[in-house]
Amino acid sequence: QSALTQPRSVSGSPGQSVTVSCTGTSSDVGAYNYVSWYQQHPGKAPKLMIYDVSKRPSGVPDRFSGSKSGNTASLTISGLQAEDEADYYCFSYAGSYTWVFGGGTKLTVL
Amino acid sequence: QLQLQESGPGLVKPSETLSLTCTVSGGSISNSNYYWGWIRQPPGKGLEWIGTIHYSGSTYYKPSLKSRVAISVDTSKNQVSLRLRSVTAADTAVFYCARLPASMDRFDYWGQGTLVTVSS
Repeated sequence: QSALTQPRSVSGSPGQSVTVSCTGTSSDVGAYNYVSWYQQHPGKAPKLMIYDVSKRPSGVPDRFSGSKSGNTASLTISGLQAEDEADYYCFSYAGSYTWVFGGGTKLTVL
Repeated sequence: QLQLQESGPGLVKPSETLSLTCTVSGGSISNSNYYWGWIRQPPGKGLEWIGTIHYSGSTYYKPSLKSRVAISVDTSKNQVSLRLRSVTAADTAVFYCARLPASMDRFDYWGQGTLVTVSS
């Protein structure tokens, strides 16, 4: 059970859009629509931003969106704001009652 | 509002057992619609799923940790516990407890986390 693969870092200017990818396998990301994304600010607990690939919990701005193609899921943040600067983690069900996180991506707002 | 609070020793000696408790308030861990999980994060590193439990007693562990981990529930205290045996410095991390809906698709509520350092 290997961690899902995410870019170590991405960046964008305020107002721009950025996309964070999350690549797994046909046993996890590719097999289930149970991909979720978490935002984590330094010293804080992770916060759920997207679940079931593309659903947003109540209170999460619609600037955050998710998608999936094959074994790769993506989180897109449009209209970047300074407060979006954080670490982002993907998470997927991997079958047989196991789950796996991605390695995390640091988003820098320039 | 559901709240989860981790507690336990902040320092554990190598080869000993790490024991943490997650106290849930604002909701019952006996609600069959939810599972409860433990996640850890070594300093400066990413999140790692450790294991998940249902109040009925069903437990699921990360395969590479399975031989050292035990998760249990105490419904009378509304608590979920984690025990990790034979710890080493590599087990130093912030440990989080979190709630997983029965759909098993996300952790929707998280505790604030507690740092456990393994050192002599």
